[in-house]
Amino acid sequence: EVQLMESGGALVQPGGSVRLSCEASGFTFSSYVMNWVRQAPGKGLEWVSYISSSSDTIHYADSVRGRFTISRDFANNSLYLQMNSLRAEDTAVYYCARDDALDVWGQGTMVTVSS
Amino acid sequence: QSVLTQPPSASGTPGQSVTISCSGSSSNIGSHYSYWYQQFPGTAPKLLIYRNNQRPSGVTDRFSGSKSGTSASLAISGLRSEDEADYYCAAWDDSLSGRVFGGGTKLTVL
Repeated sequence: EVQLMESGGALVQPGGSVRLSCEASGFTFSSYVMNWVRQAPGKGLEWVSYISSSSDTIHYADSVRGRFTISRDFANNSLYLQMNSLRAEDTAVYYCARDDALDVWGQGTMVTVSS
Repeated sequence: QSVLTQPPSASGTPGQSVTISCSGSSSNIGSHYSYWYQQFPGTAPKLLIYRNNQRPSGVTDRFSGSKSGTSASLAISGLRSEDEADYYCAAWDDSLSGRVFGGGTKLTVL
């Protein structure tokens, strides 16, 4: 079964850091581009970051550029999002999603930025 | 303010047809594929339409997508109570070098 499973969500103070993980299974991880998408409570979807299948192309939303870093580990079939200098407006459920089509999504992991 | 513009709400009665619009620009829908997602409260989004009008395996043919110029549309025919959900359009945007979403449309089945 094709599956994505996020982890790492936490309650973090403003200015703090957290690293999200997304473990992929059931498909050839190295063949697909991957994305992070977030959803603030009661709000719509916001694309966060993209990484190509070979990691040579990376894009970020303006709202997170310079603070977040996307990466992937082919040995562990995992996608990561290192989130630094967190702000209250980063509070959201974070989803990892496969492919340009975002055809497979994880269940999401909650990040809450609050003092 | 979302880059892609959707109506915040739509409604219909069982059996009716409903269309949800998504307005963009030449840098996104006008030059790239459009996508549609369905989301129920508390769950992850699900891909409904890809590459403007293609349905993934398992998605009922009551859902159809189209694109014309800088706008895309999602049509739902034979409306059912289980179609009540939030619907989002999306596309790649060259100006932003990123994917953009519409603000979402909450569909109510009366």
